[in-house]
Amino acid sequence: DAKTTQPNSMESNEEEPVHLPCNHSTISGTDYIHWYRQLPSQGPEYVIHGLTSNVNNRMASLAIAEDRKSSTLILHRATLRDAAVYYCILSYYNNNDMRFGAGTRLTVKP
Amino acid sequence: EPEVTQTPSHQVTQMGQEVILRCVPISNHLYFYWYRQILGQKVEFLVSFYNNEISEKSEIFDDQFSVERPDGSNFTLKIRSTKLEDSAMYFCASSSNGQVNTEAFFGQGTRLTVV
Repeated sequence: DAKTTQPNSMESNEEEPVHLPCNHSTISGTDYIHWYRQLPSQGPEYVIHGLTSNVNNRMASLAIAEDRKSSTLILHRATLRDAAVYYCILSYYNNNDMRFGAGTRLTVKP
Repeated sequence: EPEVTQTPSHQVTQMGQEVILRCVPISNHLYFYWYRQILGQKVEFLVSFYNNEISEKSEIFDDQFSVERPDGSNFTLKIRSTKLEDSAMYFCASSSNGQVNTEAFFGQGTRLTVV
C-alpha cells in the first residue's frame, strides 16, 4: 500500500489560512491524492482530489509537489466549522476504496 | 443535494444476535461501501460492492459479515452473530463509478452498540 504521513494535530486561528501537509513518498504514478474530512459525530466528507496539477474547488485548494511525494491542503480562511479530522488518502489499487489513516485533527480558535 | 442515508441512527443489540444495518445510496451510483469506526479509532474499510458482488474486502470482513443489495435502492450490512467488539459506528458510502478520480459520499452512520 502507498502510505501517507500527516501531523497528528494542528491549530489555526479563525479567518486565517491553514496549510495541512501530507507526505506520500511511495506514491505511484497512477495514484490520486484524495482529501476527506470528518466533522465531529459525522461521516467522512469529500474535500478535494488531484493527480499532478494543483486543484481548487469551493472548499479548498490542493497543492501537489512537483515530484508528487507530498501535498498540501489549503483552507483559505478557516472557520470554526472547519474544525475536523482531515485525511490524506491515496487511491488504492486503481479504485477508490478509501483506506483512512489517523489524519490531522485541526482545531480552529476564535 | 443528494445524500446517502442510513438507518437506524443507533442500534442496540444483544451479543450473539444478528443485526442488519441499512443504507440508501445515492441513486444512479454504482459502487457501494461499508466502513466502520470504533470509538476513538480510525475509519476502517470493510467492503466494496459493485454489480451485485463484492469487489474488495478487508481482513475485518470475515464470515460473520455479509452485504446485499436486496432491491434497487437499499444496500445492507448484516452481522450474523454480534460480538462486543463489533460495537462501532458503521458508515455506508457510494460513488458514481468507483474510479480512482471520483469522490465517495458517506452517510451519517449507524452507531451499533453490542451489550
